[in-house]
Amino acid sequence: GAGVSQSPSNKVTEKGKDVELRCDPISGHTALYWYRQSLGQGLEFLIYFQGNSAPDKSGLPSDRFSAERTGGSVSTLTIQRTQQEDSAVYLCASSLEGSSSYEQYFGPGTRLTVT
Amino acid sequence: AQSVTQLDSQVPVFEEAPVELRCNYSSSVSVYLFWYVQYPNQGLQLLLKYLSGSTLVKGINGFEAEFNKSQTSFHLRKPSVHISDTAEYFCAVSIIQGAQKLVFGQGTRLTINP
Repeated sequence: GAGVSQSPSNKVTEKGKDVELRCDPISGHTALYWYRQSLGQGLEFLIYFQGNSAPDKSGLPSDRFSAERTGGSVSTLTIQRTQQEDSAVYLCASSLEGSSSYEQYFGPGTRLTVT
Repeated sequence: AQSVTQLDSQVPVFEEAPVELRCNYSSSVSVYLFWYVQYPNQGLQLLLKYLSGSTLVKGINGFEAEFNKSQTSFHLRKPSVHISDTAEYFCAVSIIQGAQKLVFGQGTRLTINP
């Protein structure tokens, strides 16, 4: 079946612009995660959605970052007033909460470059 | 809070040689442990995981790892590597209760030389 998909695969933006990154999780997966992979910080958790529960936003680095998940499926990560330090690969993952596997399935990522 | 330390940032080995990638973790609560692999220009793929039971776990592509609670380690091993194993390997933990967000180590780049 289809895996996690993310779009765009690459995004180049100017400093100060807003960007939106999209994630389509595996159908039926109730949990969705965003991570960021950068040279300086490695792989960092950003935000987690689980069903109708309030999202865990504890990893968002600043209030310029926000995310939403519509209808329990597609998620959008928005970065406002982008800065050069936001340049990274943004990874989305989904999993089936309540399963015994605890496996997160990752998408290919969106490479964001802020010039 | 949890933290993961991968002791080697780069490991070069010759093809068909054995390899061990080291991982240590710190946590005040019980955790699950994972190894993920990232091939060039691809997303992360689960290699293996330890949830409970036998401390020796086997994964895909001939990899295995051993959970050592007293040493808080979860080292990854393969007895004979292939060129296709060239990739970056990430050790990760998640707490057992609550959100399953992963805390990753810094990664180990495994390079296989012919």
